Amino acid sequence: NAGVTQTPKFQVLKTGQSMTLQCAQDMNHNSMYWYRQDPGMGLRLIYYSASEGTTDKGEVPNGYNVSRLNKREFSLRLESAAPSQTSVYFCASSEEVGRQTQYFGPGTRLLVL
Amino acid sequence: ILNVEQSPQSLHVQEGDSTNFTCSFPSSNFYALHWYRWETAKSPEALFVMTLNGDEKKKGRISATLNTKEGYSYLYIKGSQPEDSATYLCAYTPNQAGTALIFGKGTTLSVSS
Repeated sequence: NAGVTQTPKFQVLKTGQSMTLQCAQDMNHNSMYWYRQDPGMGLRLIYYSASEGTTDKGEVPNGYNVSRLNKREFSLRLESAAPSQTSVYFCASSEEVGRQTQYFGPGTRLLVL
Repeated sequence: ILNVEQSPQSLHVQEGDSTNFTCSFPSSNFYALHWYRWETAKSPEALFVMTLNGDEKKKGRISATLNTKEGYSYLYIKGSQPEDSATYLCAYTPNQAGTALIFGKGTTLSVSS
């Protein structure tokens, strides 16, 4: 039982490049989330998926897209990376949106030059 | 905009000191309050979920209380140890279906031996 896994662990991009961050959970959770962590800002919600087939914007969705591929997987895509997107990205999951404990992945450290 | 405020922003104590932090949240439309512990270079881990006014939860030397009428929760650490050094996040869930957790920015605790 791996919990929440994220790939890659670390990535360097040039401005304008695109990439997809992958997240998978094996806890049969309905809801999944993407956050970014920046110094002094805590965790900010980018997008979330309350259940398979649905996605909703969080606090900072601009510059990102998401796909809930199936119940297990929730990916985050940067179409044209910008230096402002340098951050640590965390994926999380819970049984249902908002009301249950969230379980976090190990994070992806992204540097955009 | 729903806001979750945590204070202090950071705290430095000596080993053996007891300490406490505050989380303030909107008192109306409340459903649940979560506390997470977040060690450097790791992912946030859940400590407590509280839903009822007057709730008290305890896990070893860490405990938390909840006042939903006035919109605050306290986290207490008794006899702080260096391994307690971490950022402590609280997150509020409004009583609105489909709404994700709203995180505060955290209180960073540093315990010196």
